Amino acid sequence: GAGVSQTPSNKVTEKGKYVELRCDPISGHTALYWYRQSLGQGPEFLIYFQGTGAADDSGLPNDRFFAVRPEGSVSTLKIQRTERGDSAVYLCASSQGQGVIYEQYFGPGTRLTVT
Amino acid sequence: ILNVEQSPQSLHVQEGDSTNFTCSFPSSNFYALHWYRWETAKSPEALFVMTLNGDEKKKGRISATLNTKEGYSYLYIKGSQPEDSATYLCAFSNDYKLSFGAGTTVTVRA
Repeated sequence: GAGVSQTPSNKVTEKGKYVELRCDPISGHTALYWYRQSLGQGPEFLIYFQGTGAADDSGLPNDRFFAVRPEGSVSTLKIQRTERGDSAVYLCASSQGQGVIYEQYFGPGTRLTVT
Repeated sequence: ILNVEQSPQSLHVQEGDSTNFTCSFPSSNFYALHWYRWETAKSPEALFVMTLNGDEKKKGRISATLNTKEGYSYLYIKGSQPEDSATYLCAFSNDYKLSFGAGTTVTVRA
């Protein structure tokens, strides 16, 4: 079946612009996660959705970052007033439920470059 | 912030040789340790999830061991092949949240 998909695969934007990154999870997966991998580091947790609600947004770096999942399926990560430090690979993952027994399936990521 | 360390950062191995590398993680409040393989331009792929001290998992030529008391896991690749070239990430999970190491990038030379 179809895996997690993310669009766009690459995004180049100018400093100060607004960007939206989209994630289509595996159908039926209730849990959705966003991670960010900066150069030379491992992916870092940003936010976790259970259904439509953000159950844990403790990883969002500041209030320029916001994510939604209005119908409990597709999620959009929104970044306002982008900065060069936001350049990273943004990964989305989904799982059937919450907890270590549920594998997180990752998308291929969106590479964001802020110039 | 959970400190998950992987070493080495990168390694080169000759085709047919075996290799291994390490992941260290906090030994307290352990839930699970995950290994992922991430090939360039593809999605990270789950290899193993390990929950019990002494766990050993195997998938083809790749295996992993877990020591939760001392906080480390080894990943082994036996008889490396070019298709094993990838970045291998380990992640410590606290219920739903994964805390990743920076990865070990393996390059297999033919």
